[in-house]
Parts: sequence; structure tokens; C-alpha cells
Amino acid sequence: SQQGEEDPQALSIQEGENATMNCSYKTSINNLQWYRQNSGRGLVHLILIRSNEREKHSGRLRVTLDTSKKSSSLLITASRAADTASYFCATVLSGGSYIPTFGRGTSLIVHP
Amino acid sequence: DVKVTQSSRYLVKRTGEKVFLECVQDMDHENMFWYRQDPGLGLRLIYFSYDVKMKEKGDIPEGYSVSREKKERFSLILESASTNQTSMYLCASSKRGSEKLFFGSGTQLSVL
Repeated sequence: SQQGEEDPQALSIQEGENATMNCSYKTSINNLQWYRQNSGRGLVHLILIRSNEREKHSGRLRVTLDTSKKSSSLLITASRAADTASYFCATVLSGGSYIPTFGRGTSLIVHP
Repeated sequence: DVKVTQSSRYLVKRTGEKVFLECVQDMDHENMFWYRQDPGLGLRLIYFSYDVKMKEKGDIPEGYSVSREKKERFSLILESASTNQTSMYLCASSKRGSEKLFFGSGTQLSVL
């Protein structure tokens, strides 16, 4: 069952610009994670934000979580061509198992 | 760094064949997972395992089975491959109590 849904489905920007992707979900969560997938490869964990946190940073990544709106955003600042990839949000439900449920992803293209 | 290794990057099989997809992780993780990824559908959980010889159905287990005889190895079995099982298969692992998944590079399976 799909819990998180990313928006937009595709994003095309120039190098140096910021990229923002959003994730909306339906039920209460324990945490939300973002993963990156380079073309034809496996997913790589980027960042995890817990339900009692509002914002987290990791290098050029900034993640926010608004539990009242059931949404999260991933901001990549000063993007590079190497950031070209698909980005997935994954939610872990409250009181459930530890298994993340993934959305369909946002495809990001950064033009040099 | 955790390494999750999937035995094949590309696999071509015929309809009706029995197919084995192998996954090995080297970090003593208790949890292992099999997902399939299809364009526009994101990642869907097929089966997972919390321990040796344990298995639990995910969202789409029909047509698949799994085996976990050793802690480091989790096999996905397609009893009788069908064309609608053509997909990218992703194996992942995680430590008990952790929601962060480590993924293999994936196996692109084509069933002709």
C-alpha cells in the first residue's frame, strides 16, 4: 500500500539552483525518510526525520516535516549535475512495524 | 559500510522457469527485505524476514516465495516465472529496531 506520495513527479533545473520536492502521507507516522536512487541502481538513505522533529539538515540537504499537514519537503541547495537521480520518501507508521513504505518518487534532472 | 550484494545485475528467463534471486549482506543485520520496482508504481514490498527461517508476506507476495536459511542470505524464488514479473528487484537489509534500509544494486529481471 502506498503511504507517501511525492510531488512533483519530475523536476528539471539548472546547476546552482535549489530543488524542492514534497511528500504527502495519509496516516500518523513514527518517522519519514528520504532516499536517492541513481539510474538503474539501488536506493541510498539520505536522511531520517522523526515525528517530533520539524527540521533536519545534512550537508546541502534540508528536510522539514509538518505533521499537522502530513507533509514533508526535501530541499537540495546549490544543486549539481551529480544530484540527478530519483528521490523517494518513505514513511514508517506509528505503532507498526519498522518497515518503510515508499512513494513513487520524484525524478530530478540537474542540467550543467 | 554495509554491503548488500545481489548476485545478478541483469537476468533473462523464459516463462515457466523457476528463478532464484540471491541477496547477501555483510553487516549481521537481522532484517532483510525484497521489493520490486516498476515505473510509475514505486517500490512494493514482496516479502521480508526478521530472522533466520522467518518470513512474512509483504504487499504483493503472490507468485513469489523466499528462503532464509542463514542470517546473511535472503533468496527470492519465482516458482514459475511469468511476463508480469518482469521488473527491477531490490534487496535491502536493516538492523533490528532500525528503520534505515541498506539496498543492493538491484536485479533487472526480464521474463520472455
